[in-house]
Amino acid sequence: QQQVKQSPQSLIVQKGGISIINCAYENTAFDYFPWYQQFPGKGPALLIAIRPDVSEKKEGRFTISFNKSAKQFSLHIMDSQPGDSATYFCAGLNSGYSTLTFGKGTMLLVSP
Amino acid sequence: KAGVTQTPRYLIKTRGQQVTLSCSPISGHRSVSWYQQTPGQGLQFLFEYFSETQRNKGNFPGRFSGRQFSNSRSEMNVSTLELGDSALYLCASSQRTGNNSPLHFGNGTRLTVT
Repeated sequence: QQQVKQSPQSLIVQKGGISIINCAYENTAFDYFPWYQQFPGKGPALLIAIRPDVSEKKEGRFTISFNKSAKQFSLHIMDSQPGDSATYFCAGLNSGYSTLTFGKGTMLLVSP
Repeated sequence: KAGVTQTPRYLIKTRGQQVTLSCSPISGHRSVSWYQQTPGQGLQFLFEYFSETQRNKGNFPGRFSGRQFSNSRSEMNVSTLELGDSALYLCASSQRTGNNSPLHFGNGTRLTVT
């Protein structure tokens, strides 16, 4: 019930391409869905987040698409750059708590 | 504003020992959460403290414990260390609990148990 399933596990994209990472959740009590970016040796950093009453949110080159009926959401990175190479985690959070349930992560490599 | 500070950055301990990790949240943040990160299990929630009270606890054995002080600083303790406790332990803080307050993570403490 608490799982968040993330795919793919790893992704290689050419510079300028679109990176797409998908997540599916089971717990319908989740009402906040953040994405975190983690570089080696660093902690995860909040990238962008969405609430289920919105189907899409865009911040710069990063877009979250949300499908509430399918219980799925995805991160799109437009014009991917080598500096975007990192591990990306999706997560779900139940209102009233600060407890995030994370996906297993996607290691993104953007080739120059 | 300074970020979340975790000390020490690296620790090497022997099986059976105990360890204490420290976390200083962002100034003004009252909620502190701890997560364990391993290659196999990913990021897993350990516990959350708010105003010195434990609000939530993850599915970890009683060897894992924590506390929060009146200045919001937090410590976690792991007793009787096992090889499987080797992980990156991450602390995160937020202004308050709930989904209106994003979590900000520190860079973690890398614990190696030999």
